[in-house]
Amino acid sequence: AQSVAQPEDQVNVAEGNPLTVKCTYSVSGNPYLFWYVQYPNRGLQFLLKYITGDNLVKGSYGFEAEFNKSQTSFHLKKPSALVSDSALYFCAVRDPWGGSYIPTFGRGTSLIVHP
Amino acid sequence: DGGITQSPKYLFRKEGQNVTLSCEQNLNHDAMYWYRQDPGQGLRLIYYSQIVNDFQKGDIAEGYSVSREKKESFPLTVTSAQKNPTAFYLCASSMGRENTEAFFGQGTRLTVV
Repeated sequence: AQSVAQPEDQVNVAEGNPLTVKCTYSVSGNPYLFWYVQYPNRGLQFLLKYITGDNLVKGSYGFEAEFNKSQTSFHLKKPSALVSDSALYFCAVRDPWGGSYIPTFGRGTSLIVHP
Repeated sequence: DGGITQSPKYLFRKEGQNVTLSCEQNLNHDAMYWYRQDPGQGLRLIYYSQIVNDFQKGDIAEGYSVSREKKESFPLTVTSAQKNPTAFYLCASSMGRENTEAFFGQGTRLTVV
């Protein structure tokens, strides 16, 4: 079975400071990992994904994420936060060895960037 | 312009009524999904479909029904059997392979009045 956890319901950061949104996962084999962002009353937008290769993945809007197999983590990062980054962020995992292509989503983390 | 379209954006349902939420995609994606989003609970899978004329129940299928008569369309019906239907509903599609991301519609907010 595949699962993903986002341990923080909310993350607060000042504009210009680095931000991290945490995600840990559990799968039987090597995971496929995704980050999405959701603005109020909108659908989710894809940010980035890890499939294989370099552990540091770069995505849209200056976001990046680091895959850490030993810690089973895939934290989302950005060197300098913007107020416009304030949104709900979802981590998702697929287990290609688990027989299902359906992604499992975390509960979401609300990122608030203060001016 | 390729994408996935949900309609309506807002929907109000009276007690005992069935309502149907529309989801259309022109991305030529094989797989389509319906999720329900409630505050603090993330996304919960209602139904999914890998190919035309085939669909599978997700984690919370009770009180919902779907059809997949065309590749482009995956409508969701919220029946009167769904006791707590007020929520934000999201439709998504993907190529159906594990390494591809999902594309989401803008959502339909359903409210029982």
